[in-house]
Amino acid sequence: EDQVTQSPEALRLQEGESSSLNCSYTVSGLRGLFWYRQDPGKGPEFLFTLYSAGEEKEKERLKATLTKKESFLHITAPKPEDSATYLCAVRFNKFYFGSGTKLNVKP
Amino acid sequence: GAVVSQHPSRVICKSGTSVKIECRSLDFQATTMFWYRQFPKQSLMLMATSNEGSKATYEQGVEKDKFLINHASLTLSTLTVTSAHPEDSSFYICSALRFGANYEQYFGPGTRLTVT
Repeated sequence: EDQVTQSPEALRLQEGESSSLNCSYTVSGLRGLFWYRQDPGKGPEFLFTLYSAGEEKEKERLKATLTKKESFLHITAPKPEDSATYLCAVRFNKFYFGSGTKLNVKP
Repeated sequence: GAVVSQHPSRVICKSGTSVKIECRSLDFQATTMFWYRQFPKQSLMLMATSNEGSKATYEQGVEKDKFLINHASLTLSTLTVTSAHPEDSSFYICSALRFGANYEQYFGPGTRLTVT
C-alpha cells in the first residue's frame, strides 16, 4: 500500500496559469511533510517542511499548505523556470516519498 | 547553508569491479545520512540509513554485502558498490539530516553509475 500519493503525475501549464499539486498520505503519527524540487539528472532541492495541520509556508511563487491527510503545493503565476518534478515526502518512522509530479510550464 | 556534495558525479566501470561514492555535508554536521537509488522517471528508493559511528540500517531487499556503507565522520558517508553488475547501473543520491534541524534532509547532486 502506497503511503504517499502525488497527483497529478504530470501537469502542463501556460506561463502565468496558477495551479496546485496534491500530496496525500496514509501514515498516522506524521512527524513532518516535506516538499522538494528535482531537476533532471540532479538531486532533490529542499523547499518546505510542514509539521501540523493548518500550517502554511511560502517561497516566491510557491506556497505549501497542510491538512490532516494531504498537502498542496500552490504555484502562482508560474514561469518556465518552475518546470521540474516536485516530490513530497512524509516522515513517520522513516521517510516515505511520493512518485512526484512533473510540471512543465510553457512560455 | 545546508550543502551536500557527492563524488563522483558520473562513473563508468566494468562488471565485477567495485565503485566507491562519497557523500559529504559541507557546512553542517550530519549524524545521519541516507542513500537512495532512483530509476528513470521513478521516485527515490531508500536503500539504507547511515549513522555516524555505527552500522548502517538496510532496507528490505537491499544486499548489505553488495552495498557497503561507511559513515566514518559527521560529514562523510561512503557507499561502495561491490562486484558491480549492469543491473546496478542507476542514479544514486545521498542525503544528510542537518544536526539540530527537525528531520530536514538535504540532498547531494547524485551519482550516475553505469556498469558495462
